[in-house]
Amino acid sequence: EVQLLESGGGLVQPGGSLRLSCAASGFTFSSYTMTWVRQAPGKGLEWVSAISSSGGTTFYADSVKGRFTISRDNSKNTLYLQMSSLRAEDTALYYCAKGVLRYSQLWGQGTLVTVSS
Amino acid sequence: QSALTQPASVSGSPGQSITISCTGTSSDVGGYNYVSWYQQHPGKAPKLMIYDVSNRPSGVSNRFSGSKSGNTASLTISGLQAEDEADYYCSSYTNSSTLVFGGGTKLTVL
Repeated sequence: EVQLLESGGGLVQPGGSLRLSCAASGFTFSSYTMTWVRQAPGKGLEWVSAISSSGGTTFYADSVKGRFTISRDNSKNTLYLQMSSLRAEDTALYYCAKGVLRYSQLWGQGTLVTVSS
Repeated sequence: QSALTQPASVSGSPGQSITISCTGTSSDVGGYNYVSWYQQHPGKAPKLMIYDVSNRPSGVSNRFSGSKSGNTASLTISGLQAEDEADYYCSSYTNSSTLVFGGGTKLTVL
């Protein structure tokens, strides 16, 4: 079964750091661009970051550039999002998704990040 | 990058057709044929319904169709069914090599 399983979310203080993971299974992970999209409670979708299939090219939204780092380990079929200097406005459900840069065919169920003191 | 503009809500009766608009600029919607549409039911992950303006992924009903004119893309759902009630989001590739989403549209099936 094709599946994406996010983990690593939790409660973190403003200014803190967190690393999210997304474990992929059921497809050739190394062939796909992977994306992180977030959704603040009760709000819409916000594109966060994407990484090419090889990991050689990364893309970021202006809102997270310089604070978040996307990476992947194709040998472990895992996508990561290292988040630092976290702010209250980063509070959201973070989804990982598989596809190409311009659209995502499959989404995980998300992991919740709460930034609060 | 500003969010694409979608109506906050639309509604229709079973069997009717509805259209959801998604307005951007020449830097995103108008500049590329890379608009996609996602359906999201409450508490669920988004599901891809349309990609590259008008293409349907395998398994998506042909009641869903997409189009684009200038800086505005549209999603049309024909033969409305109760299970179509959900939030719908458009997204577009941008000239900054990023993606931008619309604010979302809540579809109510009356």
